[in-house]
Amino acid sequence: QKEVEQNSGPLSVPEGAIASLNCTYSDRGSQSFFWYRQYSGKSPELIMSIYSNGDKEDGRFTAQLNKASQYVSLLIRDSQPSDSATYLCAVAHSGGYQKVTFGTGTKLQVIP
Amino acid sequence: GAVVSQHPSWVICKSGTSVKIECRSLDFQATTMFWYRQFPKQSLMLMATSNEGSKATYEQGVEKDKFLINHASLTLSTLTVTSAHPEDSSFYICSASITGAPTDTQYFGPGTRLTVL
Repeated sequence: QKEVEQNSGPLSVPEGAIASLNCTYSDRGSQSFFWYRQYSGKSPELIMSIYSNGDKEDGRFTAQLNKASQYVSLLIRDSQPSDSATYLCAVAHSGGYQKVTFGTGTKLQVIP
Repeated sequence: GAVVSQHPSWVICKSGTSVKIECRSLDFQATTMFWYRQFPKQSLMLMATSNEGSKATYEQGVEKDKFLINHASLTLSTLTVTSAHPEDSSFYICSASITGAPTDTQYFGPGTRLTVL
């Protein structure tokens, strides 16, 4: 069973703080990892993708991947109220066009 | 780049009627498109994988005769909900992968909210 697990939250952080979102996956053959943001009533929006171990930074967002621990995380620096949303972790099992498995998402609340 | 559109954005229909939802990749070709359903406060549920020029692959528990998928071109996939019932009311979202891209990145459309009366 290929699974992606996330804490459903809500995770509450004060404005300006670092929000840390975590995700674990069960399939060791997973190759591609994604973070999506979904506002209430809207469709998911791609934030970042990561394919190799280590950190990948894009603006205020940093994705971290540790394949040995089967763990991927998303850090949001200087959190803003507009970051309040549900963050979905997604994992693809191999290259090409295999389907992606989504976690259930972590709801983030940034408190002004 | 990588823009996906859906039409309509919302639809209300009577029970027993059929509804067609279109998903288009506007600035890229998509050999593969995906259809998801999301109920309130729940996560995305993959319904089917749609491949251009071939039959869709449905997930377990999804009725292929009720949810008809046609992926007739590299930029268009359609989902038809046949004989819709109130329990089919949901948020339907499509996504597309870029043909020839080396990754599995999916780009999502804005979704279609279906309400069956």
